[in-house]
Amino acid sequence: DAGVIQSPRHEVTEMGQEVTLRCKPISGHDYLFWYRQTMMRGLELLIYFNNNVPIDDSGMPEDRFSAKMPNASFSTLKIQPSEPRDSAVYFCASSLQGNYGYTFGSGTRLTVV
Amino acid sequence: AQSVTQLGSHVSVSEGALVLLRCNYSSSVPPYLFWYVQYPNQGLQLLLKYTSAATLVKGINGFEAEFKKSETSFHLTKPSAHMSDAAEYFCAVSPGSSNTGKLIFGQGTTLQVKP
Repeated sequence: DAGVIQSPRHEVTEMGQEVTLRCKPISGHDYLFWYRQTMMRGLELLIYFNNNVPIDDSGMPEDRFSAKMPNASFSTLKIQPSEPRDSAVYFCASSLQGNYGYTFGSGTRLTVV
Repeated sequence: AQSVTQLGSHVSVSEGALVLLRCNYSSSVPPYLFWYVQYPNQGLQLLLKYTSAATLVKGINGFEAEFKKSETSFHLTKPSAHMSDAAEYFCAVSPGSSNTGKLIFGQGTTLQVKP
């Protein structure tokens, strides 16, 4: 298995632009999670899905952030418009049955200038 | 509600010395507990997990952790540190019984290994 695949690995964008981060979970996993990692706040759970349905989006910082999971093999996290404070590493993770440990992707390093 | 506290944001040991990274948790229900490792510019990798079976859990790369309910702790140890162990380590908790799928992570501990 190729693991959790995220794209792009790095993204540099200008303030105000739309940014879309992509994630392909491990085949057969029924949970998908989006995390953000910064030096100041550590790892923050943004949103997670179970069987493609959003379960908890209480960590999404603002309406500028949205996430979708149109099918079991693909999810997106969109930021529109982006701001410099959104600069962080965004991780996607997936798991089987939720509580048995996640597999993380390599992350997308987002820089908003 | 669940929470995790990792004591010490930075730990430094000499190569060959004992590694001890501390984690205390708070949980209103029997928890599942995890340790993850993150190498520079990489995602988090699962080291080991406790899911209510044996209280002493062995993981990859020679690490192990012991679940102590009376102390609400899940400290990570390795008898002899190797240079390749230098990384950031995260403890995480989830409510085992309700299977919400939601992991709460600690702030992380950076392990430095000196030659």
